[in-house]
Amino acid sequence: EAGVAQSPRYKIIEKRQSVAFWCNPISGHATLYWYQQILGQGPKLLIQFQNNGVVDDSQLPKDRFSAERLKGVDSTLKIQPAKLEDSAVYLCASSLDYPDTQYFGPGTRLTVL
Amino acid sequence: EDQVTQSPEALRLQEGESSSLNCSYTVSGLRGLFWYRQDPGKGPEFLFTLYSAGEEKEKERLKATLTKKESFLHITAPKPEDSATYLCAVSRGVSNYKLTFGKGTLLTVNP
Repeated sequence: EAGVAQSPRYKIIEKRQSVAFWCNPISGHATLYWYQQILGQGPKLLIQFQNNGVVDDSQLPKDRFSAERLKGVDSTLKIQPAKLEDSAVYLCASSLDYPDTQYFGPGTRLTVL
Repeated sequence: EDQVTQSPEALRLQEGESSSLNCSYTVSGLRGLFWYRQDPGKGPEFLFTLYSAGEEKEKERLKATLTKKESFLHITAPKPEDSATYLCAVSRGVSNYKLTFGKGTLLTVNP
């Protein structure tokens, strides 16, 4: 069974530029999560989708971050404009249904200069 | 607010030297406690879920236990390939089941 796919794996941008990350969850998984992991920290939930709908986005900086999940499958996370403190690994995870076990993708390492 | 504290932050062991990692938590209405392993440059890999105090689970050289306030990850006779960061996370039973993670313990096993 294929795991969670993410792209790109690495991205370097200047501050105030925009960037987008893509995630394809495990086939059949209804719930999709985006986490931010700053170096030396555990992952922090940014947004959770159940099929197409948002379940929790309480920790998403909505002035610069946005996310969507079209047709209940793939998802994109966008940052516009980026700040230096956005440098982190962005992890996507999926689960069959919540509250099942979450399975993580390899992450996208973002560096903002 | 849910809190998860892991100790120690880093642990160095010799191959074959058994030890334990600690995860202390404060959460209202625990639904589950999760252990993940994370290798450098990779996403967290699921290890165990524990649901109630007294529960234990084992996988190869790892055994996880749970009390009402903490969980332990016991590593028996570790090998160099067990070197990784081990993350603990909790989820509530009455919300959206989001995971709150600790900062992790970096384990290094020397041959």
